[in-house]
Amino acid sequence: AQSVTQLGSHVSVSEGALVLLRCNYSSSVPPYLFWYVQYPNQGLQLLLKYTTGATLVKGINGFEAEFKKSETSFHLTKPSAHMSDAAEYFCAVSASGTYKYIFGTGTRLKVLA
Amino acid sequence: DAGVIQSPRHEVTEMGQEVTLRCKPISGHNSLFWYRQTMMRGLELLIYFNNNVPIDDSGMPEDRFSAKMPNASFSTLKIQPSEPRDSAVYFCASSQDSHNEQFFGPGTRLTVL
Repeated sequence: AQSVTQLGSHVSVSEGALVLLRCNYSSSVPPYLFWYVQYPNQGLQLLLKYTTGATLVKGINGFEAEFKKSETSFHLTKPSAHMSDAAEYFCAVSASGTYKYIFGTGTRLKVLA
Repeated sequence: DAGVIQSPRHEVTEMGQEVTLRCKPISGHNSLFWYRQTMMRGLELLIYFNNNVPIDDSGMPEDRFSAKMPNASFSTLKIQPSEPRDSAVYFCASSQDSHNEQFFGPGTRLTVL
């Protein structure tokens, strides 16, 4: 079975500061891991994904995440926050690419001017 | 491509009424998913279709909920009769194959009074 824990339901950063959103997962089989972003009144948009291979994954809008098996983590980072990054971010896991995504509860990112 | 299309975007109805939500997946995608998003329970998978056939409906809350996919370009989620606790945002998503990333529609915000 798979599960996802996102630490911090709300995170605030200053514009230009580092963004770090935490995601820990549990999976009995090799996981596929995803980060999605949801802007107000919109659907979820894929930021990046890890399937196999390189553990540092780069996504859209300057975001990246690193798969750390020993820590069962897949934290999302961006070196410099922009006002347009304000949104809700969801981490998700699936078992080796099966259809069933398990989503975390989401982290709402606020960017302060 | 227009992406996943959902209609209506907003629906307000009274308890006991029938509600039908509609989804047009991305052309060429053979997997379709219906999700429900609430504050209390987050994102939950309701049902998964592959090649128009329901594969997993274990997430459908109860018999009041039903979903169909009569062809590759159209799916419906029906609630009859609706109840206030059905109020949520309902998302449709599609993917090229069951193991590829899922593309989400903008969602339908349902309010049952």
